[in-house]
This record gives sequence, structure tokens and C-alpha cells, in this order.
Amino acid sequence: DTGVSQNPRHKITKRGQNVTFRCDPISEHNRLYWYRQTLGQGPEFLTYFQNEAQLEKSRLLSDRFSAERPKGSFSTLEIQRTEQGDSAMYLCASSLEEGSPLHFGNGTRLTVT
Amino acid sequence: AQSVTQPDIHITVSEGASLELRCNYSYGATPYLFWYVQSPGQGLQLLLKYFSGDTLVQGIKGFEAEFKRSQSSFNLRKPSVHWSDAAEYFCAVGDRDDYKLSFGAGTTVTVRA
Repeated sequence: DTGVSQNPRHKITKRGQNVTFRCDPISEHNRLYWYRQTLGQGPEFLTYFQNEAQLEKSRLLSDRFSAERPKGSFSTLEIQRTEQGDSAMYLCASSLEEGSPLHFGNGTRLTVT
Repeated sequence: AQSVTQPDIHITVSEGASLELRCNYSYGATPYLFWYVQSPGQGLQLLLKYFSGDTLVQGIKGFEAEFKRSQSSFNLRKPSVHWSDAAEYFCAVGDRDDYKLSFGAGTTVTVRA
């Protein structure tokens, strides 16, 4: 069990630029989740996949955000035209389809200047 | 909709003393309940979970939690804290269909010598 891996760990970008984050889940896990965490708050759900299908998107996920999981393995989260309000820790988690809690990666911290 | 309240934003406890963190949830049915711990700049690590059965659950690092349906609570306890327990603790309630978690805002624990 190598755990959930997220890259990069940190990303600093200028407002208006596009950024993409990658998440590699635990290999046998079918479900993959993206959360966002701002300072002093708990993680907030963004979206989740079962295999390659994106099953739910939060209202927090504006049109500037897109997530993919093309082959049911790794996932990417892209933010277009970043805004300062996008600055946060983006956490990825994975789980088995049933009976297993979420296992989180160490997150990608985004700073938009 | 499910939600979680952690009434204590910050708790300071002496090393060796006992610790109790409060968690109240709102959920329409029998919930899945979790406690996670997060060290600075890190992802979330699962401490323990409640799915069904015995309402007193044991977790890692000497933590335990008790599910009380009548009080809609899932409080976390540790009999004797260690300096390494200083961290942020999150309670979460999970949906039984998609395992999507809703987190509380967290409780920061400081351990003094």
C-alpha cells in the first residue's frame, strides 16, 4: 500500500493562469474524491469518481474547474483562469467501492498571487 | 443534508492528561462516522470509524470514540495525551451510498509540557 500520491505538493501561480494537479490513488481503489480545504476549515467536497465516471460535482466546482479520471486510475484537477479565492489545499482521497473509509493524500497547496 | 459541528475550535491540554473532543452530527439515517487527524501541511489520517455494531470504537494511537444516537454525538477521547498528539482533529459524517464525507471545521489540540 503506497498510499495516495498528489503532485505537485505546492504550486504558486499568478492570477489568470491555468493550473493542473494530479492524484494517483491506491491502486485497487475504485472511488476517487477531490476536496478543498481553506485555512481553519475542514475539507469541503468538490467531486468524486467511480472508476472513470464522474458521479457528482459540488456547487463549489465552478465552470473554471474540471476534473478527469480517463482510465479509472489517476485523476487530474484543472483550474482555469485562477483567482485569489482559489488559494487553498486541494486534497485527493480514494476508497474501495464499499465498506472502506477514505484514504487521503498529502494535498497540493495552491497559492494564487 | 448531512452536517457536522465541532464546538471547540481550540483545546489546550497538559501532557499526560485526558482529552475529549466533541462532535455532533446531523444525518437523516444511521450515519457512518469518522475521526481524522491532520498534522501541519499534511493530509488527513484516519483515527477510527463507526459503521455499525458496538458503539464504542477503538482506533489508532490510543484513541477511542463513542457513538450516542440519542445525542447525535461521536466524541473522541484519549486517556493520556502525548506531545505528538498536537494536531488538528476533524470529525466527519459519511453518506451510506457514496461515502462522500462532510467534515466539521476541526479542533486544534495543543499539548503543553
